[in-house]
Amino acid sequence: GQQVMQIPQYQHVQEGEDFTTYCNSSTTLSNIQWYKQRPGGHPVFLIQLVKSGEVKKQKRLTFQFGEAKKNSSLHITATQTTDVGTYFCAATANAGGTSYGKLTFGQGTILTVHP
Amino acid sequence: DAGVTQSPTHLIKTRGQQVTLRCSPISGHKSVSWYQQVLGQGPQFIFQYYEKEERGRGNFPDRFSARQFPNYSSELNVNALLLGDSALYLCASSRGTSGSYNEQFFGPGTRLTVL
Repeated sequence: GQQVMQIPQYQHVQEGEDFTTYCNSSTTLSNIQWYKQRPGGHPVFLIQLVKSGEVKKQKRLTFQFGEAKKNSSLHITATQTTDVGTYFCAATANAGGTSYGKLTFGQGTILTVHP
Repeated sequence: DAGVTQSPTHLIKTRGQQVTLRCSPISGHKSVSWYQQVLGQGPQFIFQYYEKEERGRGNFPDRFSARQFPNYSSELNVNALLLGDSALYLCASSRGTSGSYNEQFFGPGTRLTVL
């Protein structure tokens, strides 16, 4: 079945430093979504990328979708303590041009921000 | 507007018992998905329902079943509980099953402990 690999598993940064998490798949993806889960909480949708090479920004967050639609990244500039949590990528497979509802989540990157 | 609601919030069962978890989607959302999240891992897709029909099934045994009602709420049933079924069970609703319609809005989850 489809697998989505996410690295790193953990990232500790000082407040103000940048942070990047990467998501990779061996198969072409229909689209990719990013979620944030705070400790003790549930995943919250951040963004969806659909087009090859797409780049989207949300304030300090920059999301990229690879040209081959097999990888994606989330970059946070100048982290703040409010950025603490686990960041997940989630993807749907590209199967015959039809987007299936099944989302495959990566293992997540746990971000710790030291003040 | 109310978000996705799930009940109960916590549940303790013993091995071999059966459990039913409930989910109410966001008003206007016709799709409900169920995920299992074990501590330290990303959510694992169990089922997706759309307009009361099963649209996707993950790699879970037949002990897991679900259904969606005319009002789009859903139930997840797990029979013959095993210790390994202990997890956070997340319900997510979406407008549909493809593209931007597949943005998942997660509920707070039901924490199931099997003793």
